[in-house]
Amino acid sequence: NAGVTQTPKFQVLKTGQSMTLQCAQDMNHEYMSWYRQDPGMGLRLIHYSVGAGITDQGEVPNGYNVSRSTTEDFPLRLLSAAPSQTSVYFCASRRGGANEKLFFGSGTQLSVL
Amino acid sequence: DAKTTQPPSMDCAEGRAANLPCNHSTISGNEYVYWYRQIHSQGPQYIIHGLKNNETNEMASLIITEDRKSSTLILPHATLRDTAVYYCIVRPVKGTSGTYKYIFGTGTRLKVLA
Repeated sequence: NAGVTQTPKFQVLKTGQSMTLQCAQDMNHEYMSWYRQDPGMGLRLIHYSVGAGITDQGEVPNGYNVSRSTTEDFPLRLLSAAPSQTSVYFCASRRGGANEKLFFGSGTQLSVL
Repeated sequence: DAKTTQPPSMDCAEGRAANLPCNHSTISGNEYVYWYRQIHSQGPQYIIHGLKNNETNEMASLIITEDRKSSTLILPHATLRDTAVYYCIVRPVKGTSGTYKYIFGTGTRLKVLA
């Protein structure tokens, strides 16, 4: 049972480069989300999705794009990376409903030079 | 939107109970209180949640006041491995699409001392 899988675990980018952080879950969860965590800080919500074809913005959406074409996958795209996007990125998923807990991936550490 | 307030840090002696408070004075009647913890730089881990009644599982106990404006997470016998950041969050905040999003605060950094 893999749970929530994030790839890659580490990535270094140059300013202006683009890349996609991958997130996949095998629990048939409707809800998926992306958070970023800067050093010594809490988690901030970037984007989230409540099902295939439905996405919405979180607290810090600028500079990131998402789409949800399947239930299993929720990729996060950085179109033009900036040093301010250096952070650890966590993907999380849960079932629908009012009484369900979040399951988190192990994170992607991204450095933008 | 219900928000939570937690102390930024706490210390606890190993073997003693760790009591972590959370204030959620604007919580609505149907909103659950969830607790997660994050050990070092790992992904956060679910601990426990509750609505009105006190809850207990193998990891911790959750005490919710009668007016539901605050709660306390109790680790009955803290160990060094319980050193982590503990987050208290309430039921998701409604987004622009009408759907709900989970907002984490900065949490409480618990340090268990040998």
